[in-house]
Order: sequence, then C-alpha cells, then structure tokens
Amino acid sequence: QVQLQESGPGLVKPSGTLSLTCAVSGDSSNIDKWWSWVRQPPGKGLEWIGEMYPGGSTDYNPSLKSRVTISLDRSKNHFSLELTSVTAADTAVYYCATRAYHFANSYWGQGTLVTVSS
Amino acid sequence: DIQMTQSPSSLSASVGDRVTITCRASQGITNYLTWFQQKPGTAPKSLIYATSNLQSGVPSKFSASGSGTDFFLNISSLQPEDVATYYCQQYKSFPFTFGQGTRLEIK
Repeated sequence: QVQLQESGPGLVKPSGTLSLTCAVSGDSSNIDKWWSWVRQPPGKGLEWIGEMYPGGSTDYNPSLKSRVTISLDRSKNHFSLELTSVTAADTAVYYCATRAYHFANSYWGQGTLVTVSS
Repeated sequence: DIQMTQSPSSLSASVGDRVTITCRASQGITNYLTWFQQKPGTAPKSLIYATSNLQSGVPSKFSASGSGTDFFLNISSLQPEDVATYYCQQYKSFPFTFGQGTRLEIK
C-alpha cells in the first residue's frame, strides 16, 4: 500500500512562494500513476490544484494556473508543489494524493496546514 | 467548470439505518465520478471509483450507482464510525471539481 507524507513550511509570508514536498513510500512502481495536490481552507471544502500524468505532463486548476507548478522526482520518490505570489486566501491544509486510471488505488497524505501571514 | 451539487448538505440518522447521498453534475460526466469519506481532523479517504467500484479494503456496506448527471452513495447499517463528511468528485474534465460535502451524523 502506498503511503504519502507532505512536508514543508507551515508559515509563508504574503507574496512569497509556498513549496511542499510529498514523500512516497510503500510502492516502488511509479508507472501509470497520477500525482496530484488538493487543498482545503479551514472549515471549507476541497479544491483540486492540479496533477501530473504518468507521461509527465501536467494539468492545473485555471484559477491557480499562472502560479502553480507540480513536479516529480522519481529518483528521490517524491513530488512537489510550488505556488507563487501567495495571499491569505491560499491558507489551507494541502494534501498530496496519487491514483491509478479512473481513480482506482487512490491514496492521500495526511495533509499539512500552510498559513499565509506576515 | 462542471459544478457538483450534493444533497443533503447534512444528514442525521440512527444506528442501523440506511442512508443515501445524492450528487448531481451540471453536465453529463458518464461514469467519471469518485466518492471520498473525510472523518473529522483526518485526510479524505477514497471509497468508490468509476461511479460504483469499491476501493480495496472498503466494506461492502458502502455502495454507489449513477450515470450521466445523477449519482448516489448508499451506506447501509449505519455505525458511529461512519460519522464523516462525504464528498463526490468528477474527473470527466479539468478542472476536477468536488461537491460541497454532506455531513453525516448519528442521532
């Protein structure tokens, strides 16, 4: 079973860059997996940020597209999220997740709270 | 964007009851729908994929159905450990979108 663990700063200053890493363990096969990030503002619902396909291409939520980058480092078994020019509206719990085709074998990390504040 | 609307927004039922949560898409998504369970203070957990398929390890008390724009999650023999918020998500087109969630409580 795949395990995911997010890590990164819990506090980011406004206009700064939010950078998170998701460590992947428990399954050495990265083939045919999608890698994604989802966020949840405190007390609110879920928002899909974007994902990377098995071939390496990415798709992002248009509401964030100009500010977000998802990357995968297979050699280190982790993938990353970078969100630039953050504001208080980006304060949320950030989850990394992985899935197979049609969302079979879907696993999520435990989430990490990132607060944007000076 | 495809809008996903869940009903009810909250639901209170008794132990042993069977409950149904509805998820409606603003346009047809064939069977590109998944369901998640989020218990308080924890990460979402995938229950169902491709509308009606149980993820490995998910008990058979959970079942789901639907097609096109209307989808349903059923939970039978309700137990205290089923208290959670349930979300549907469409993955027919980008951006993937979630329903607003249905909060399930025990009477």
